[in-house]
Amino acid sequence: NAGVTQTPKFQVLKTGQSMTLQCAQDMNHNSMYWYRQDPGMGLRLIYYSASEGTTDKGEVPNGYNVSRLNKREFSLRLESAAPSQTSVYFCASTRDSISYEQYFGPGTRLTVT
Amino acid sequence: TQLLEQSPQFLSIQEGENLTVYCNSSSVFSSLQWYRQEPGEGPVLLVTVVTGGEVKKLKRLTFQFGDARKDSSLHITAAQPGDTGLYLCAGDGVSSASKIIFGSGTRLSIRP
Repeated sequence: NAGVTQTPKFQVLKTGQSMTLQCAQDMNHNSMYWYRQDPGMGLRLIYYSASEGTTDKGEVPNGYNVSRLNKREFSLRLESAAPSQTSVYFCASTRDSISYEQYFGPGTRLTVT
Repeated sequence: TQLLEQSPQFLSIQEGENLTVYCNSSSVFSSLQWYRQEPGEGPVLLVTVVTGGEVKKLKRLTFQFGDARKDSSLHITAAQPGDTGLYLCAGDGVSSASKIIFGSGTRLSIRP
């Protein structure tokens, strides 16, 4: 089992460009999450999907959109990238929405110039 | 606003020494998780504590959940260079926007 996979590993964007970060899990988990990690600020929840077909905003959703494509895949889209979105992005999954034991992907390091 | 405060922020010690890091809050959590994150990788779950006063051991790592379920500690005995990393605690949030709250972490460095 690969667990949680993310693509790409690294990305550089210019201000105003758009891109989609991909995430997939093979653990048959129901819930999936997107976080950003900035120095000294820990992990902050952007969006999550409690189950296939549902998505909810987290703590810092502005500037992002998500799609729960199917049970396995949860993508994060930046429609018009800004330098403030420079960060490391992590996707995670849990067995269900009441489990707090998260399994993380390896991350995507995004730089917006 | 729920917060999880971790201390110390940074810790550098010699191999073989013991250490304790802390995760504190004014809020009550139904459970707390501890993760370790190595450079360039995602956090990896170490343990979940659920019951007030609970103690769990993972080889040389001992995790304790406070009696009031507001705080937790991680004690490492005889630290080794392989213990180096960022240690994060996390707890369940009370709102849908703050579903899971993470502390900002303790960055641990073990010198050979």
